[in-house]
Amino acid sequence: DIQMTQSPSSLSASVGDRVSITCRASQIINIRLNWYQQKPGKAPQLLIYAASSLQSGVPSRFSGSGSGTDFALTISGLQPEDFATYYCQQSYTNPVTFGGGTKVEI
Amino acid sequence: EVQLVESGGGLIQPGGSLRLSCAASGFSVSSSFMTWVRQAPGKGLEWVSVIYTGGNTYYADSVKGRFTVSRDNSKNTLSLQLNSLRDEDTAVYYCVRVPSGGYHYGMDVWGQGTTVTVFS
Repeated sequence: DIQMTQSPSSLSASVGDRVSITCRASQIINIRLNWYQQKPGKAPQLLIYAASSLQSGVPSRFSGSGSGTDFALTISGLQPEDFATYYCQQSYTNPVTFGGGTKVEI
Repeated sequence: EVQLVESGGGLIQPGGSLRLSCAASGFSVSSSFMTWVRQAPGKGLEWVSVIYTGGNTYYADSVKGRFTVSRDNSKNTLSLQLNSLRDEDTAVYYCVRVPSGGYHYGMDVWGQGTTVTVFS
């Protein structure tokens, strides 16, 4: 199985900050990398697919980058509603696997 | 509106069985990959199973041989039969759509989740 490693596992930030979360795959996955946001008690929501494509309806302050094994999710200008946990997920091969999550806290 | 609504969760003893259902609206389950993803209390996301448009199925090693995914195209529903339940199966189970283009486009529609608690 492909292992997905996110860092950091948590971070503290302020409204307006630029925040980056990284995700590393244990083998090359090209751009088969998706990002999700999950708020407490809610289902995850798709933010970014194919490493850098913004899902419809997602604010443009969210962006994704990377290919191969190293990826990043960047939030430019953190908003109060962005405090949540973020997960990366590889879609290169079965079984689909997720990173351990990054909790973004105030 | 595209929506998924799960039901069927509950409290169950180890070794027991449960059947989860997922009702889809706004799209056809037969035209998408349909998956189940679970989340143990305080933990991350774990993919569980998928049923492809052609009907083929695939399972995580942790549930293979115990869980069975199926769909009813006439009712536009997805089901997950959980047998031989273990403590470690305790989780919120999400029904999730993968667009017809495949996983490359992410998992774009999630249900609200249904909770399975296995207690001894």
